[in-house]
Amino acid sequence: AQKITQTQPGMFVQEKEAVTLDCTYDTSDPSYGLFWYKQPSSGEMIFLIYQGSYDQQNATEGRYSLNFQKARKSANLVISASQLGDSAMYFCAMREGPNNDMRFGAGTRLTVKP
Amino acid sequence: EAQVTQNPRYLITVTGKKLTVTCSQNMNHEYMSWYRQDPGLGLRQIYYSMNVEVTDKGDVPEGYKVSRKEKRNFPLILESPSPNQTSLYFCASSSHPGRGYEYQETQYFGPGTRLLVL
Repeated sequence: AQKITQTQPGMFVQEKEAVTLDCTYDTSDPSYGLFWYKQPSSGEMIFLIYQGSYDQQNATEGRYSLNFQKARKSANLVISASQLGDSAMYFCAMREGPNNDMRFGAGTRLTVKP
Repeated sequence: EAQVTQNPRYLITVTGKKLTVTCSQNMNHEYMSWYRQDPGLGLRQIYYSMNVEVTDKGDVPEGYKVSRKEKRNFPLILESPSPNQTSLYFCASSSHPGRGYEYQETQYFGPGTRLLVL
């Protein structure tokens, strides 16, 4: 069964506007971590933001914030004031279990338009 | 500089010709992992290692082997590559995050290896 679901294969946003990338997850483990990564066209994986399952507040890192809704099992990434350099693939991932397995979603390709 | 290195970065080979992709990290991490990335599927875990001499299968281990003789190295071996193993491969490492809610330690990824099997 798919553990991480990203329902938006592609998204467009106007420069300087905010955009939300969706992510839902499935786990029965009460302890887990949620991550977002950015993959530009050069291919490297860049860590953006982390949210722990016990964290009471939504994580923020600069222009990135994570809208964590635990009951709905969603962990959407919000990028504020989009920049052209934000154009990339974005992956949601979850780490759980005694083996610390990390599962990734299929990704969302974000294009920022000038 | 803390980093994960992979070699080669690009590789074109033919069906059946054994190959090894090396992975090395300089952060003294216990945990290392290999992923393959395919369009529409995201990253899928091939093998992982919790520590030296401890390896285990991920979601897509068929056709791959790994070894962990030293803490810093985690090579990926394709004994008899086939065209369906054409993919982008990533090695990653992290310190062992433990149990409970301590999953904050992200994985550090290598630059990726693009493999084409003809």
